[in-house]
Amino acid sequence: LAKTTQPISMDSYEGQEVNITCSHNNIATNDYITWYQQFPSQGPRFIIQGYKTKVTNEVASLFIPADRKSSTLSLPRVSLSDTAVYYCLVASGGYQKVTFGTGTKLQVIP
Amino acid sequence: EAGVTQSPTHLIKTRGQQATLRCSPISGHTSVYWYQQALGLGLQFLLWYDEGEERNRGNFPPRFSGRQFPNYSSELNVNALELEDSALYLCASSFEGGRAYEQYFGPGTRLTVT
Repeated sequence: LAKTTQPISMDSYEGQEVNITCSHNNIATNDYITWYQQFPSQGPRFIIQGYKTKVTNEVASLFIPADRKSSTLSLPRVSLSDTAVYYCLVASGGYQKVTFGTGTKLQVIP
Repeated sequence: EAGVTQSPTHLIKTRGQQATLRCSPISGHTSVYWYQQALGLGLQFLLWYDEGEERNRGNFPPRFSGRQFPNYSSELNVNALELEDSALYLCASSFEGGRAYEQYFGPGTRLTVT
């Protein structure tokens, strides 16, 4: 079972790029990496997903090195509304293995 | 398009009682997932239903159970409630054939056990 580890919290100023790293040393061949954003008292919201290399969408980029033992979520030019908890999920086909990270609480400072 | 809905929003029970939580997935989604999020903690995977069958469950005792109905809605039952069952219970759904492991979450049901 792939255990994930993330920093507990991070602070960033508005307009800066934020990189949040998730460690998943025991990731299996079939595992995908997905990141979610959660605001207080709301369900998590899908941000981005990847298997290897780099994935980019309108919200974020996801960098996965060749060994896939970690992944980095990159948020360009954060704003106050990006203050939230960010979760890293490692899951395989058939959802046989499910591991949510502990979450990283990102605080964006004006 | 309506998102995932959950009911009730809040539920207060006493220890030893049973709680029933309900979830309606996004139209066209066949998989439903349940998670427990205790205060200040991360998401703990509870159950996964697909096409009416329980496909996987997390590390929770048997008093946590559920089912998925023919219309793909789902119900989570928690028997013999304990104080530590107080948490936000989140339901998510996914579309078979869509982006793998992309789940859409509902707003959750806040269960308080006194």
